[in-house]
Amino acid sequence: AQSVAQPEDQVNVAEGNPLTVKCTYSVSGNPYLFWYVQYPNRGLQFLLKYITGDNLVKGSYGFEAEFNKSQTSFHLKKPSALVSDSALYFCAWGRVNTDKLIFGTGTRLQVFP
Amino acid sequence: GAVVSQHPSWVICKSGTSVKIECRSLDFQATTMFWYRQFPKQSLMLMATSNEGSKATYEQGVEKDKFLINHASLTLSTLTVTSAHPEDSSFYICSVRSPEPGETQYFGPGTRLTVL
Repeated sequence: AQSVAQPEDQVNVAEGNPLTVKCTYSVSGNPYLFWYVQYPNRGLQFLLKYITGDNLVKGSYGFEAEFNKSQTSFHLKKPSALVSDSALYFCAWGRVNTDKLIFGTGTRLQVFP
Repeated sequence: GAVVSQHPSWVICKSGTSVKIECRSLDFQATTMFWYRQFPKQSLMLMATSNEGSKATYEQGVEKDKFLINHASLTLSTLTVTSAHPEDSSFYICSVRSPEPGETQYFGPGTRLTVL
């Protein structure tokens, strides 16, 4: 089945250190790929997306993600983590010209002071 | 990005009653809205796609008579949970599809439903 996978349930990182939240995809064709963040008891906030073009996508709050076709990955990164980055992060994919987004299982990021 | 509101933000009801949740697109006309359900510590599950002026499209396994969706205007979609039971307790989130390229969806803040 076509999907995205987030292999880590939780990622812990110290404040100031770089962070990576992993996402791999198993989708035929050229998918749209997204990252969303969810704070407790809140809806999802859009961070960034890859449609086409430059493989390195920059998004909100200093986050970026790199589309790697050979590794079928779209990992989310930030050079220096903040405690306020602690939240639940979802990777998602959407098929071109369809409405649906399919979400990964989510990764909880915990940034320690 | 789009601004989406939901009302109410939380609701507690008795088993057997019906609950209506509103989703509003505040800054553009949305022909397509989506309803998701999220259980604690789990991912979002798409329940249905709400299309303005036509019937909603439900995902497999979602009871359309249980979860009534109405998209009567370009800025409002409603989800009614009919004859609610404790197993319907969940976090319900709506989204709108932005007109920008790339199928981006923008989400409402969610509604926490607790059925006693």
